[in-house]
Amino acid sequence: EAQVTQNPRYLITVTGKKLTVTCSQNMNHEYMSWYRQDPGLGLRQIYYSMNVEVTDKGDVPEGYKVSRKEKRNFPLILESPSPNQTSLYFCATEGREGRTGELFFGEGSRLTVL
Amino acid sequence: DQQVKQNSPSLSVQEGRISILNCDYTNSMFDYFLWYKKYPAEGPTFLISISSIKDKNEDGRFTVFLNKSAKHLSLHIVPSQPGDSAVYFCAASPEGTDKLIFGTGTRLQVFP
Repeated sequence: EAQVTQNPRYLITVTGKKLTVTCSQNMNHEYMSWYRQDPGLGLRQIYYSMNVEVTDKGDVPEGYKVSRKEKRNFPLILESPSPNQTSLYFCATEGREGRTGELFFGEGSRLTVL
Repeated sequence: DQQVKQNSPSLSVQEGRISILNCDYTNSMFDYFLWYKKYPAEGPTFLISISSIKDKNEDGRFTVFLNKSAKHLSLHIVPSQPGDSAVYFCAASPEGTDKLIFGTGTRLQVFP
């Protein structure tokens, strides 16, 4: 079964405590990305990766880091989380056999930063 | 600056009737448009798309219409079913890019 798996699904943390949200996909997709969903703002792209070792900033990259050392994994790192990073985060992948825009999303990770 | 706008945060429709969800965009460079559906506690799932060379695309009960001159697209669901109750996001991609710009979403509720 095609899957995009995120962990943790829910997390409450405190300001400044580094955390990592993992994302793993089993579809052999080259393209992976991270989005955050906030009320009234929709989905906004944080970072994306076209392939292993290739990453680039999306629309709201401040305060986040990513790495792409393997094709299947694309972790999102918050080095020093702040309350404005409280949000619902989604990892997504897309096959590149033509431009479809059809993203496969994970189930989301709800993060609260106190 | 919100380039893709869904001005109706919510919509309530009776089962069996038509649901019309609207989306407006400001960037004339957008040439590919998509709709995603999202249930609570799940990630968005792709629903239907349309290229700017078309003005209509149909898939079962779902039809997307594109009016390029008005920079407007809409999603029609006919007939609406309770299982269609979800948040719907429209998204647009600028020509020559793989980037997707999402709207803010519309919550559709289909009641019996």
